[in-house]
Amino acid sequence: KAGVTQTPRYLIKTRGQQVTLSCSPISGHRSVSWYQQTPGQGLQFLFEYFSETQRNKGNFPGRFSGRQFSNSRSEMNVSTLELGDSALYLCASSLSGAHGNEQFFGPGTRLTVL
Amino acid sequence: SQQGEEDPQALSIQEGENATMNCSYKTSINNLQWYRQNSGRGLVHLILIRSNEREKHSGRLRVTLDTSKKSSSLLITASRAADTASYFCASAGTASKLTFGTGTRLQVTL
Repeated sequence: KAGVTQTPRYLIKTRGQQVTLSCSPISGHRSVSWYQQTPGQGLQFLFEYFSETQRNKGNFPGRFSGRQFSNSRSEMNVSTLELGDSALYLCASSLSGAHGNEQFFGPGTRLTVL
Repeated sequence: SQQGEEDPQALSIQEGENATMNCSYKTSINNLQWYRQNSGRGLVHLILIRSNEREKHSGRLRVTLDTSKKSSSLLITASRAADTASYFCASAGTASKLTFGTGTRLQVTL
Protein backbone atom coordinates (compact mmCIF):
# COMPACT_ATOMS: atom_id res chain seq x y z
CA LYS A 1 0.00 0.00 0.00
CA ALA A 2 1.49 3.35 -1.02
CA GLY A 3 2.25 5.83 1.75
CA VAL A 4 1.19 9.44 2.12
CA THR A 5 2.54 11.60 -0.66
CA GLN A 6 3.04 15.34 -0.64
CA THR A 7 3.81 17.66 -3.50
CA PRO A 8 5.86 19.62 -4.06
CA ARG A 9 8.67 18.58 -1.74
CA TYR A 10 10.38 21.96 -1.84
CA LEU A 11 9.05 25.39 -2.60
CA ILE A 12 10.53 28.89 -2.60
CA LYS A 13 8.20 31.86 -2.61
CA THR A 14 8.46 35.57 -1.86
CA ARG A 15 6.53 37.58 0.68
CA GLY A 16 3.01 38.42 -0.38
CA GLN A 17 2.63 35.47 -2.72
CA GLN A 18 0.31 32.56 -2.12
CA VAL A 19 1.04 28.86 -2.19
CA THR A 20 -0.91 25.61 -2.51
CA LEU A 21 0.37 22.35 -1.11
CA SER A 22 -1.07 18.96 -1.95
CA CYS A 23 -1.43 15.75 0.01
CA SER A 24 -2.60 12.32 -1.11
CA PRO A 25 -3.49 10.07 1.83
CA ILE A 26 -3.10 6.33 2.08
CA SER A 27 -5.80 4.56 0.12
CA GLY A 28 -8.87 4.07 2.31
CA HIS A 29 -7.93 6.76 4.80
CA ARG A 30 -10.58 9.43 5.10
CA SER A 31 -8.95 11.77 7.60
CA VAL A 32 -6.21 14.17 6.58
CA SER A 33 -4.47 16.49 9.03
CA TRP A 34 -1.94 19.22 8.40
CA TYR A 35 0.87 20.31 10.72
CA GLN A 36 3.43 23.07 10.57
CA GLN A 37 6.91 22.44 11.93
CA THR A 38 9.34 25.27 12.69
CA PRO A 39 12.47 25.36 14.87
CA GLY A 40 10.87 27.95 17.15
CA GLN A 41 7.32 26.66 17.56
CA GLY A 42 7.82 22.96 16.94
CA LEU A 43 5.01 20.86 15.51
CA GLN A 44 1.68 22.65 15.48
CA PHE A 45 -1.68 21.42 14.30
CA LEU A 46 -3.23 23.40 11.46
CA PHE A 47 -6.48 21.60 10.62
CA GLU A 48 -8.06 18.26 9.92
CA TYR A 49 -10.45 17.22 7.19
CA PHE A 50 -12.75 14.25 7.15
CA SER A 51 -15.17 13.45 4.34
CA GLU A 52 -14.55 16.83 2.71
CA THR A 53 -15.40 18.74 5.90
CA GLN A 54 -13.05 20.59 8.20
CA ARG A 55 -13.51 18.82 11.49
CA ASN A 56 -10.91 20.48 13.63
CA LYS A 57 -8.84 23.64 13.41
CA GLY A 58 -5.72 24.91 15.16
CA ASN A 59 -4.80 28.46 16.12
CA PHE A 60 -3.61 29.82 12.83
CA PRO A 61 -4.76 32.99 11.02
CA GLY A 62 -7.30 32.87 8.24
CA ARG A 63 -4.50 33.09 5.66
CA PHE A 64 -4.16 29.36 6.19
CA SER A 65 -6.95 27.38 4.60
CA GLY A 66 -7.53 23.93 3.26
CA ARG A 67 -9.93 21.65 1.55
CA GLN A 68 -10.49 17.99 0.90
CA PHE A 69 -11.78 16.37 -2.24
CA SER A 70 -14.11 13.43 -2.64
CA ASN A 71 -11.15 11.08 -3.18
CA SER A 72 -9.76 12.25 0.23
CA ARG A 73 -6.88 14.14 -1.34
CA SER A 74 -6.30 17.43 0.43
CA GLU A 75 -4.80 20.78 -0.34
CA MET A 76 -3.76 23.58 1.93
CA ASN A 77 -3.35 27.15 0.84
CA VAL A 78 -1.44 29.98 2.43
CA SER A 79 -2.15 33.45 1.12
CA THR A 80 -0.14 36.63 1.54
CA LEU A 81 2.95 34.74 2.62
CA GLU A 82 5.08 36.09 5.46
CA LEU A 83 8.68 35.29 6.31
CA GLY A 84 7.46 33.43 9.39
CA ASP A 85 5.53 30.98 7.23
CA SER A 86 8.82 29.33 6.27
CA ALA A 87 8.44 25.84 7.65
CA LEU A 88 8.10 22.16 6.97
CA TYR A 89 4.44 21.40 6.31
CA LEU A 90 3.46 17.86 7.14
CA CYS A 91 0.36 16.04 6.10
CA ALA A 92 -0.90 12.99 7.95
CA SER A 93 -3.66 10.55 7.18
CA SER A 94 -5.57 8.09 9.30
CA LEU A 95 -8.56 5.83 8.87
CA SER A 96 -10.99 8.00 10.76
CA GLY A 97 -8.94 10.40 12.84
CA ALA A 98 -11.24 9.85 15.77
CA HIS A 99 -9.87 9.52 19.29
CA GLY A 100 -6.34 10.13 18.14
CA ASN A 101 -5.79 7.15 15.91
CA GLU A 102 -2.30 6.42 14.69
CA GLN A 103 -1.44 8.88 11.98
CA PHE A 104 0.74 8.22 8.96
CA PHE A 105 2.84 11.16 7.87
CA GLY A 106 4.07 12.18 4.47
CA PRO A 107 7.63 13.40 3.83
CA GLY A 108 6.57 17.04 4.07
CA THR A 109 6.82 20.13 1.91
CA ARG A 110 9.60 22.50 2.86
CA LEU A 111 8.45 26.05 2.18
CA THR A 112 10.93 28.90 2.15
CA VAL A 113 9.59 32.44 2.04
CA LEU A 114 12.09 35.11 0.93
CA SER B 1 0.67 27.00 24.61
CA GLN B 2 -0.77 23.51 25.00
CA GLN B 3 2.39 21.96 23.66
CA GLY B 4 3.90 19.25 25.80
CA GLU B 5 7.49 19.21 26.86
CA GLU B 6 10.17 16.61 26.56
CA ASP B 7 13.45 16.13 28.28
CA PRO B 8 16.21 15.95 27.70
CA GLN B 9 16.26 18.21 24.65
CA ALA B 10 19.29 16.32 23.41
CA LEU B 11 20.84 13.00 24.33
CA SER B 12 24.10 11.48 23.16
CA ILE B 13 24.88 7.84 23.90
CA GLN B 14 27.02 5.04 22.57
CA GLU B 15 25.73 2.12 20.58
CA GLY B 16 24.45 -0.62 22.83
CA GLU B 17 23.39 1.71 25.63
CA ASN B 18 19.81 2.43 26.58
CA ALA B 19 18.14 5.78 25.89
CA THR B 20 15.33 7.21 28.00
CA MET B 21 13.22 10.19 27.03
CA ASN B 22 10.53 11.80 29.12
CA CYS B 23 7.42 13.64 28.06
CA SER B 24 4.91 15.76 29.94
CA TYR B 25 1.56 16.84 28.58
CA LYS B 26 -1.05 19.29 29.76
CA THR B 27 -4.57 18.03 29.17
CA SER B 28 -6.44 14.79 29.71
CA ILE B 29 -5.81 12.27 26.99
CA ASN B 30 -7.34 9.35 25.16
CA ASN B 31 -3.91 8.03 24.26
CA LEU B 32 -0.29 9.09 23.93
CA GLN B 33 1.84 8.31 20.91
CA TRP B 34 5.53 8.41 20.15
CA TYR B 35 6.98 9.33 16.76
CA ARG B 36 10.45 9.40 15.27
CA GLN B 37 11.71 11.95 12.76
CA ASN B 38 14.91 11.66 10.77
CA SER B 39 16.59 14.90 9.68
CA GLY B 40 13.51 17.06 9.09
CA ARG B 41 11.61 14.43 7.17
CA GLY B 42 8.19 12.97 7.88
CA LEU B 43 7.33 11.41 11.20
CA VAL B 44 7.18 7.67 11.71
CA HIS B 45 4.74 6.27 14.26
CA LEU B 46 6.47 4.11 16.87
CA ILE B 47 3.97 3.16 19.52
CA LEU B 48 0.60 4.14 20.99
CA ILE B 49 -0.36 3.72 24.64
CA ARG B 50 -3.95 4.20 25.76
CA SER B 51 -4.90 6.18 28.85
CA ASN B 52 -5.91 3.02 30.71
CA GLU B 53 -2.55 1.34 30.07
CA ARG B 54 0.54 1.84 32.20
CA GLU B 55 3.21 0.13 30.13
CA LYS B 56 3.62 -1.12 26.61
CA HIS B 57 6.40 -2.87 24.73
CA SER B 58 7.23 -3.08 21.05
CA GLY B 59 10.53 -4.69 20.11
CA ARG B 60 13.29 -2.61 21.70
CA LEU B 61 10.82 0.08 22.76
CA ARG B 62 9.19 0.35 26.15
CA VAL B 63 6.70 3.10 26.93
CA THR B 64 5.23 3.97 30.30
CA LEU B 65 2.35 6.28 31.04
CA ASP B 66 1.41 7.98 34.31
CA THR B 67 -1.84 9.86 33.81
CA SER B 68 -1.81 11.19 37.39
CA LYS B 69 1.43 13.01 36.62
CA LYS B 70 0.56 13.63 32.96
CA SER B 71 3.84 12.12 31.92
CA SER B 72 5.23 9.35 29.74
CA SER B 73 8.62 7.91 29.06
CA LEU B 74 10.14 6.11 26.09
CA LEU B 75 12.98 3.66 26.61
CA ILE B 76 15.01 2.39 23.67
CA THR B 77 17.13 -0.55 24.67
CA ALA B 78 20.40 -1.64 23.05
CA SER B 79 20.47 1.45 20.85
CA ARG B 80 21.92 1.40 17.35
CA ALA B 81 23.39 4.12 15.16
CA ALA B 82 20.22 3.88 13.05
CA ASP B 83 18.21 5.08 16.07
CA THR B 84 19.76 8.53 15.66
CA ALA B 85 16.77 10.81 15.14
CA SER B 86 14.41 13.20 16.91
CA TYR B 87 11.70 11.63 19.02
CA PHE B 88 8.37 13.29 19.75
CA CYS B 89 5.54 12.40 22.05
CA ALA B 90 2.04 13.38 20.94
CA SER B 91 -1.01 13.48 23.15
CA ALA B 92 -4.42 12.72 21.70
CA GLY B 93 -7.74 13.65 23.26
CA THR B 94 -11.18 12.83 21.93
CA ALA B 95 -10.67 15.12 18.97
CA SER B 96 -8.59 14.17 16.00
CA LYS B 97 -5.63 16.44 16.52
CA LEU B 98 -2.31 15.49 18.05
CA THR B 99 -0.49 17.86 20.39
CA PHE B 100 3.22 17.28 20.06
CA GLY B 101 5.96 17.71 22.59
CA THR B 102 9.11 19.69 21.94
CA GLY B 103 11.12 16.62 21.00
CA THR B 104 14.35 14.93 22.05
CA ARG B 105 17.30 14.76 19.66
CA LEU B 106 19.02 11.40 20.10
CA GLN B 107 22.54 10.84 18.81
CA VAL B 108 23.88 7.30 18.92
CA THR B 109 27.57 7.00 18.24
CA LEU B 110 29.59 3.91 17.33
